[in-house]
Formats: sequence, structure tokens, C-alpha cells
Amino acid sequence: AQSVTQPDIHITVSEGASLELRCNYSYGATPYLFWYVQSPGQGLQLLLKYFSGDTLVQGIKGFEAEFKRSQSSFNLRKPSVHWSDAAEYFCAVGVHSSGATNKLIFGTGTLLAVQP
Amino acid sequence: KAGVTQTPRYLIKTRGQQVTLSCSPISGHRSVSWYQQTPGQGLQFLFEYFSETQRNKGNFPGRFSGRQFSNSRSEMNVSTLELGDSALYLCASSLAGVGTGELFFGEGSRLTVL
Repeated sequence: AQSVTQPDIHITVSEGASLELRCNYSYGATPYLFWYVQSPGQGLQLLLKYFSGDTLVQGIKGFEAEFKRSQSSFNLRKPSVHWSDAAEYFCAVGVHSSGATNKLIFGTGTLLAVQP
Repeated sequence: KAGVTQTPRYLIKTRGQQVTLSCSPISGHRSVSWYQQTPGQGLQFLFEYFSETQRNKGNFPGRFSGRQFSNSRSEMNVSTLELGDSALYLCASSLAGVGTGELFFGEGSRLTVL
């Protein structure tokens, strides 16, 4: 069965420090992978996506993620965190093996707090 | 370009009532998906519509239904509300008809069931 695991429920980092949020997936075919961010009271915004090709993908707001097939991982990174990055981050896998669909399976999310 | 618009943003209902939520996708987007977000279950897929046809459905009871109109606007309905239906209901639209999962989300409709 398809699934996404985000092992860290809550992470606190200092402003200016680097960040890595972990994501592991289980999917039978080549996955479509996504990172979304949700600020309080808001919907989700797409940060970046991986469909194929270069395994290091760049996104908005200075984020990047690396797809590692051998580890079934798609970790999100940012070299220097800003206070405005405080939000909840969701990793997701797109279910496409059964035909055309935009169904996503989300992880449980990682809540990021940024200390001044 | 306007984003995904969901109405109403907040609503309160009592058990046994029904509710209809509306979603207007980004202009040109023909796929609309609905997700339920709760603290306990997280983000769960409800259903997806493309060109007025339900293309995929999640594991929710039949009380949850939806439809899409010819202008791509979508509605979802929950009948016989239960306390556990309290959630943020998110609508998302997509340009890609083939289905890639690249979704643009609205701000959601927060439903409270008393």
C-alpha cells in the first residue's frame, strides 16, 4: 500500500540555521513526490515536486529536496531558515499508477518552529 | 490570476444536518479534488472530479458526495453530519488532465459540528 512517513512531528531550529525535514515513502512504481507548506489558517502551497530526471530539485523560497530511490526518501532542505518559514510541512506522493488522477497521499506533517 | 476560492470559510452545524461546500478552481483548471484535514487523521483524499466526472474516490462513507459543473466549479455535500465530520475541508485544482498531483489549494472551509 502507498504511504508516506514523516518521522519528525515537531522541529525547532534557530533562525539562520540549516534545516532538513525527513520524508520516506512506500510506492510500487516511480513516485511523483511533493512538498507542501501550510501556514496557520491557510491552505497548502506547493514548495517543489519531483517527477523524474535530476534527483535534486529546487523549489520556491530557497528550498530543495533530494530524491533517493535506494532509501525511498525525499528529504527537504534549506541552508538558512528565516522566521517566516515557521509553518507545517507536508510530504506527499502522487498516486498515478492506476491511471490519470491527482490523488495525493500525505504524510502526517512536520511542524517547524523558528527561534530568533 | 485568481486562486482557488472556497465558500463558506467557516460554518457551524449540528449533528444530523447536512452541509454543502463550494469550490471555484483556478481559471482553466478542469480537475478539482477535495481533502479532509483533521488533527487525528491528517490530510485524507475525498474525491476528484475532472470534466464533470468523478475520477477517483477515497475511503469515506456515502454521506460524503460531490459534483462538478460544466464551468469546473465543484461542490461537496455531507449529509447526516456527525461530530467526527468537524474538519477543515480543502479543495484543490489542477491544470494537468493526465494527473500529476500538482495541486493548487484553497484556504479551506472549516466545519464545526456540534
